[in-house]
Amino acid sequence: GQQVMQIPQYQHVQEGEDFTTYCNSSTTLSNIQWYKQRPGGHPVFLIQLVKSGEVKKQKRLTFQFGEAKKNSSLHITATQTTDVGTYFCAGLMKTSYDKVIFGPGTSLSVIP
Amino acid sequence: SQTIHQWPATLVQPVGSPLSLECTVEGTSNPNLYWYRQAAGRGLQLLFYSVGIGQISSEVPQNLSASRPQDRQFILSSKKLLLSDSGFYLCAWGDRYYGYTFGSGTRLTVV
Repeated sequence: GQQVMQIPQYQHVQEGEDFTTYCNSSTTLSNIQWYKQRPGGHPVFLIQLVKSGEVKKQKRLTFQFGEAKKNSSLHITATQTTDVGTYFCAGLMKTSYDKVIFGPGTSLSVIP
Repeated sequence: SQTIHQWPATLVQPVGSPLSLECTVEGTSNPNLYWYRQAAGRGLQLLFYSVGIGQISSEVPQNLSASRPQDRQFILSSKKLLLSDSGFYLCAWGDRYYGYTFGSGTRLTVV
C-alpha cells in the first residue's frame, strides 16, 4: 500500500548542532506537508511544498522537496531546546482525493 | 479566525463502555473534518473524514464510528470500547492545499 517513511526515528543532538530528518514516499506526491508536535501537544502545521525541487526556509528551518516528488527533508541549523519535539511529514498521494498520509515522525531531543 | 475545540482532554473508560468524543470548529463553514488516532510514540492514523453533513468516509475497519450531525460538528463514537482503542485522538480540519489544523486532542485510556 501507499506508505510514507521517515528516518531517523529518534535523534539526540547537542544544542547548537544541526539536525536533519528525511521523508520518503512509495509513490509520487502532489505535495508534502511538515508538522511539529511538542511533547504532550498536538501536531502544528509548519509548511507545505508543492513544486518539484522546491526549497523553503523558515528562520533556522530549511525544507526541501525532491525532484521526483517522492522525498523531502527538513534541516534545522544550530538546534535550540525549543526545537524539541516530533517532526512529521505528510504526503498527499496523487491517487487519493483529499487525503494525506503521515510518516511515523522523527523525535528530536536537544541536550543543553 | 478559525478555531477547533475538542473535548474532553483526558478520558479513562472501562472495557466495554461506550465512547463519545466531540469536535467543533468555529470561524469557517463547510470544513473538511478528520479524526486521527495516535498510539503512544507513533504516527497519525486517519480514522474518518467528512466533506459535509452526513458524509463520512471510513479509512480503517474497527469498532469506532463517526457522525457529522451539523456542519461544524464531528463526533467519534463507540458502542463498546476495547483495550486496543487506547490512544491519543485528534480532530482536524483543513484540506490538501493548505494543511491541517488539529485540535488539542483527547487522551483515551481503556482499562
